[in-house]
Amino acid sequence: GENVEQHPSTLSVQEGDSAVIKCTYSDSASNYFPWYKQELGKGPQLIIDIRSNVGEKKDQRIAVTLNKTAKHFSLHITETQPEDSAVYFCAASMGSGGGADGLTFGKGTHLIIQP
Amino acid sequence: KAGVTQTPRYLIKTRGQQVTLSCSPISGHRSVSWYQQTPGQGLQFLFEYFSETQRNKGNFPGRFSGRQFSNSRSEMNVSTLELGDSALYLCASSSATRLPYEQYFGPGTRLTVT
Repeated sequence: GENVEQHPSTLSVQEGDSAVIKCTYSDSASNYFPWYKQELGKGPQLIIDIRSNVGEKKDQRIAVTLNKTAKHFSLHITETQPEDSAVYFCAASMGSGGGADGLTFGKGTHLIIQP
Repeated sequence: KAGVTQTPRYLIKTRGQQVTLSCSPISGHRSVSWYQQTPGQGLQFLFEYFSETQRNKGNFPGRFSGRQFSNSRSEMNVSTLELGDSALYLCASSSATRLPYEQYFGPGTRLTVT
């Protein structure tokens, strides 16, 4: 089955700086790669996603890049703010139909924004 | 539009008992998936229901089961609880209208088994 590796497990950056979280996946059939943000006591919140026919996607301060050849994708957050502090999860699925294929998640990155 | 709701939010059970958790998806969403989140194993897919049928299943023992009702609400049941079942159980809903299907999570039910 699919395996998703996520690095780093903890990332501390100064407010205003950029943060980058990287993930690799094992199954070349995977074609959907969402990112989730989870705050303490809450469920994961979908913040951005990318499909395999796209190499990069941006949404304000957040961007995701995908390299299908190397089987890795990354989350980039620019101009970090205190409210960006949370645990971030990457995920992969085949999205092949037959329903919402189960997402395979990375282990998460605890992002700490230092004031 | 209201988000995914899960009840109860917190639950304490004793080893050997069974438990039922409930999930109401976003209005209009027909697919409900369940995930288990633990510090050691992270987020793991349990199963997915669409139109009252289980369409997809993760790698969990048969003690974990679920069902979906005609209004898309879903329940998850765990029988013969073990200490290792202590976890945050998350429900995610999807409109299942455009591939791949975006999934939106509820706040979860925190289950503690003693």
